[in-house]
Amino acid sequence: QVHLVQSGAEVKKPGASVKVSCKASGYTFTSYGISWVRQAPGQGLEWMGWISVYNGNTNYAQKFQGRVTMTTDTSTSTAYMELTSLRSDDTAVYYCVRGNYFVYWGQGTLVTVSS
Amino acid sequence: EIVLTQSPGTLSLSPGERATLSCRASQSVSSSYLAWYQQKPGQAPRLLIYGASSRATGIPDRFSGSGSGTDFTLTINRLEPEDFAAYYCQQYGSSPYTFGQGTKLEIK
Repeated sequence: QVHLVQSGAEVKKPGASVKVSCKASGYTFTSYGISWVRQAPGQGLEWMGWISVYNGNTNYAQKFQGRVTMTTDTSTSTAYMELTSLRSDDTAVYYCVRGNYFVYWGQGTLVTVSS
Repeated sequence: EIVLTQSPGTLSLSPGERATLSCRASQSVSSSYLAWYQQKPGQAPRLLIYGASSRATGIPDRFSGSGSGTDFTLTINRLEPEDFAAYYCQQYGSSPYTFGQGTKLEIK
């Protein structure tokens, strides 16, 4: 069965960077893209962007352009999302999800940005 | 960017009743690439409907989706206690893949 297992919670100071990993199993990693979705405390869902695992092409939401980088390592079936210049309003649970509509979700990674 | 507006913000109903949730898009959603998710506190969202009207695997048939273009509806017949949760629509027809702000379905 398909699993997406994310790295653990992070606490960062404003201005720092965070890199969240997402290890996939149970399917052919290169057959589906990976999106990243975040959810601030008590708020709704926000799509951050998508990466084609097949060829590495990316498509980022304009809001995150210049601050987010999505990559994959096909040798380990792992996707990564790095967000730089963190602010307090980046505090959220970050999810990796497979495909264009999201059947499979990672368990979420809480990133807390606080001085 | 396609903006999705969900209504109502909160819906108060009793078990056994029917829930009707609306999702309106600011422009036409390509090829009815519209999905619905259910989310319970502390959990990741769960896909209910994709392609506007196709139920995801394992989703009970009391959940149904309809609509096209700019107007979409999620209907939940005969509400069960476990159906009380937050619901989000999402369009994946054009980038960015936006979500609605959500509807909270609460027990009356």
